Amino acid sequence: DQQVKQNSPSLSVQEGRISILNCDYTNSMFDYFLWYKKYPAEGPTFLISISSIKDKNEDGRFTVFLNKSAKHLSLHIVPSQPGDSAVYFCAANSNTGKLIFGQGTTLQVKP
Amino acid sequence: DTAVSQTPKYLVTQMGNDKSIKCEQNLGHDTMYWYKQDSKKFLKIMFSYNNKELIINETVPNRFSPKSPDKAHLNLHINSLELGDSAVYFCASSQTGGDHQPQHFGDGTRLSIL
Repeated sequence: DQQVKQNSPSLSVQEGRISILNCDYTNSMFDYFLWYKKYPAEGPTFLISISSIKDKNEDGRFTVFLNKSAKHLSLHIVPSQPGDSAVYFCAANSNTGKLIFGQGTTLQVKP
Repeated sequence: DTAVSQTPKYLVTQMGNDKSIKCEQNLGHDTMYWYKQDSKKFLKIMFSYNNKELIINETVPNRFSPKSPDKAHLNLHINSLELGDSAVYFCASSQTGGDHQPQHFGDGTRLSIL
């Protein structure tokens, strides 16, 4: 029973373009969502988060959008840079301290 | 000045052995976690400690025993290792356990059972 799903295993975009990574969830008790970035042989690094009371949070080139009615969130990276190439994990929390992760999307940004 | 450090980074051992993975954080956080990333790349929580007290214990075999000597350390001991234990184990920490603080991860320990 996968409560957080990232249905696209991989995404390839050209440098300078927008990258859009998607995430769906099923548990309506989730009230906080996070995106993590992971390079090979390293641990996940926190990128950006959003509370369920908001529908958008922006931090530099990264913006997370939340659509609660659709139980969907997305991460927009613009402009994309080659250094953004990594695995991106979506995660959700229901204030239990338990982060539920999606299976990740591998982003490749081509120069 | 590594924030969350795990040792060893790689661990190759025989089935049936007992092994430990150590984790230390220098962030002053109160809560620490162990996650397992399996072959399908899912990251799943195993345990969480808050100020040396166990607060999350997922459905994990009894062969796995976490130990927190102080709030900066959370070690994972695994008895009678099995083939299915092969995975990458990540340690993490956060300021508090349930207040929506981002978790900071170590670089993982890749455990391979022969």
